[in-house]
Amino acid sequence: DGGITQSPKYLFRKEGQNVTLSCEQNLNHDAMYWYRQDPGQGLRLIYYSQIVNDFQKGDIAEGYSVSREKKESFPLTVTSAQKNPTAFYLCASSPFREKPYNEQFFGPGTRLTVL
Amino acid sequence: RKEVEQDPGPFNVPEGATVAFNCTYSNSASQSFFWYRQDCRKEPKLLMSVYSSGNEDGRFTAQLNRASQYISLLIRDSKLSDSATYLCVVNGWETGRRALTFGSGTRLQVQP
Repeated sequence: DGGITQSPKYLFRKEGQNVTLSCEQNLNHDAMYWYRQDPGQGLRLIYYSQIVNDFQKGDIAEGYSVSREKKESFPLTVTSAQKNPTAFYLCASSPFREKPYNEQFFGPGTRLTVL
Repeated sequence: RKEVEQDPGPFNVPEGATVAFNCTYSNSASQSFFWYRQDCRKEPKLLMSVYSSGNEDGRFTAQLNRASQYISLLIRDSKLSDSATYLCVVNGWETGRRALTFGSGTRLQVQP
């Protein structure tokens, strides 16, 4: 089945620890994105990547890092520098071919809770 | 001013009702528009793209008014399964980045 997978579904972390969230897609999409969603709020863009080995900061990149070594993978690391990391993290991808603003398709998300 | 604004609702409507959501966007140069649906504690899913001429998909109709910079979604004959949050999405050209900007969503609750 083609799609976007995120793991784990739920993640608990102690304060001061770094944690890496996985995002994999087998849709052959060029662009991948990370968003954060807090209760009752919209999605906020953390990082995005339009091509392998390149990525750009979104609106709330502080305390996060990413890599894009393979087209199908875009892991997000939540570092200890992120002040309020508890949130729902969503990964998305889009074809980014002829139209630069293609619709995006989302993975099921990871709920991160900092204890 | 937010780039994309939506009435948060909730909109409580009976089954069979027609309900309309509006969304305004700030960047007149925006070119891509979408409606997404998000169920509680789930990921957003694409409902429909919005084209300049408007488009319809079954009970759902989307309209774009570029002059007034708003997008609408009309749902006819509401079903219980339509209960969800509807997200208005616009490309974020104003900020110079090539990514979509999401509104905070409008919550719909269809009641029996």
